[in-house]
Amino acid sequence: LAKTTQPISMDSYEGQEVNITCSHNNIATNDYITWYQQFPSQGPRFIIQGYKTKVTNEVASLFIPADRKSSTLSLPRVSLSDTAVYYCLVGDLGNAGNMLTFGGGTRLMVKP
Amino acid sequence: EPEVTQTPSHQVTQMGQEVILRCVPISNHLYFYWYRQILGQKVEFLVSFYNNEISEKSEIFDDQFSVERPDGSNFTLKIRSTKLEDSAMYFCASKEHPYGYTFGSGTRLTVV
Repeated sequence: LAKTTQPISMDSYEGQEVNITCSHNNIATNDYITWYQQFPSQGPRFIIQGYKTKVTNEVASLFIPADRKSSTLSLPRVSLSDTAVYYCLVGDLGNAGNMLTFGGGTRLMVKP
Repeated sequence: EPEVTQTPSHQVTQMGQEVILRCVPISNHLYFYWYRQILGQKVEFLVSFYNNEISEKSEIFDDQFSVERPDGSNFTLKIRSTKLEDSAMYFCASKEHPYGYTFGSGTRLTVV
């Protein structure tokens, strides 16, 4: 499984755009990149998933450069409720039994 | 939006007792998982389950643990003889291949 590296913590203010970058130098050809959000005492929640270039949904964008060795989760105009831990995970979606390996994640603190 | 439901939300048990944690995965999902998170630590994979059998399991999932899908809707995790170090949040997840996981809100297990 490709190992991921992301900042331990980030601070931001309400209304700002937040970009969290994840390094995954050993990503394999079949691997997808998935981001999850976790609030205290709750299960991780799927945010976005991509393979290459850019993916956008109603809550976030995911930017993946051509070499796929890193990815950036972009949260537009964060609010206090976006304070959470964000996890970057890399894995082969073709292997449905493959478990997710969570790292420490990035603890995002949004301040008023 | 479909949800993974876990019961109970909080369980307190005495050391050495058996506990059963219950989960109702999303109805059309075929892949089921248990993860756990000790307070302040990473989310850890325990076991994956597909087609009525275990697909993968981690080193944590020793002989004290078992999983079962007793009917068409429930998915259970049993811990035969709980230890203090089993105290954690236990998350059930299900997946519709090849999309992302949906996690439940978790069961907080406290072993005293």
